[in-house]
Amino acid sequence: QKEVEQNSGPLSVPEGAIASLNCTYSDRGSQSFFWYRQYSGKSPELIMFIYSNGDKEDGRFTAQLNKASQYVSLLIRDSQPSDSATYLCAVLFSSGSARQLTFGSGTQLTVLP
Amino acid sequence: SAVISQKPSRDICQRGTSLTIQCQVDSQVTMMFWYRQQPGQSLTLIATANQGSEATYESGFVIDKFPISRPNLTFSTLTVSNMSPEDSSIYLCSVGQGPLPEQYFGPGTRLTVT
Repeated sequence: QKEVEQNSGPLSVPEGAIASLNCTYSDRGSQSFFWYRQYSGKSPELIMFIYSNGDKEDGRFTAQLNKASQYVSLLIRDSQPSDSATYLCAVLFSSGSARQLTFGSGTQLTVLP
Repeated sequence: SAVISQKPSRDICQRGTSLTIQCQVDSQVTMMFWYRQQPGQSLTLIATANQGSEATYESGFVIDKFPISRPNLTFSTLTVSNMSPEDSSIYLCSVGQGPLPEQYFGPGTRLTVT
């Protein structure tokens, strides 16, 4: 069974700091990795995706992938109170016509003003 | 981007009844998915709704309990049949195109079964 593990938190950081969110996955065949943000009472929204080892930056967000260690992370620079949400890591495995997107349980982030 | 609407937004149903949830997208999409999110938990894929063919169900979910229709590229329905309190959850429709399969989520349907 493919598993995605996240620290449930809550993680609290002061405004302006870097928030670091971590995710590990069990299946070495996983190919694509996604970060979603979910505000309380709302549906998830895709904020980042990464396919290759290394870093991918988009504004204040940086996704980091290390396939050898089966580890993906999300860094949020200059954290703002509006970043307070639950962040879901998702891992996609596909082979032929079969595909499976597995979500982690999420990390709750609070950015303190 | 795709705009997704779901109906109803919430409902309270009695045990043993069925509820059909609708998902409408403002553009044609290849892949549509139905997810469940139970209180305080993450998302679990129920099935992939395929246009023109039977839905593909994940382990633990069966067609008799969660029948799905996908009559065209912009619309799908999920029925929760013979409901029990354990079916109380948020049901989410998701769509994707190209390499980003679950790119957009609908606002969800909050179901409470009494």
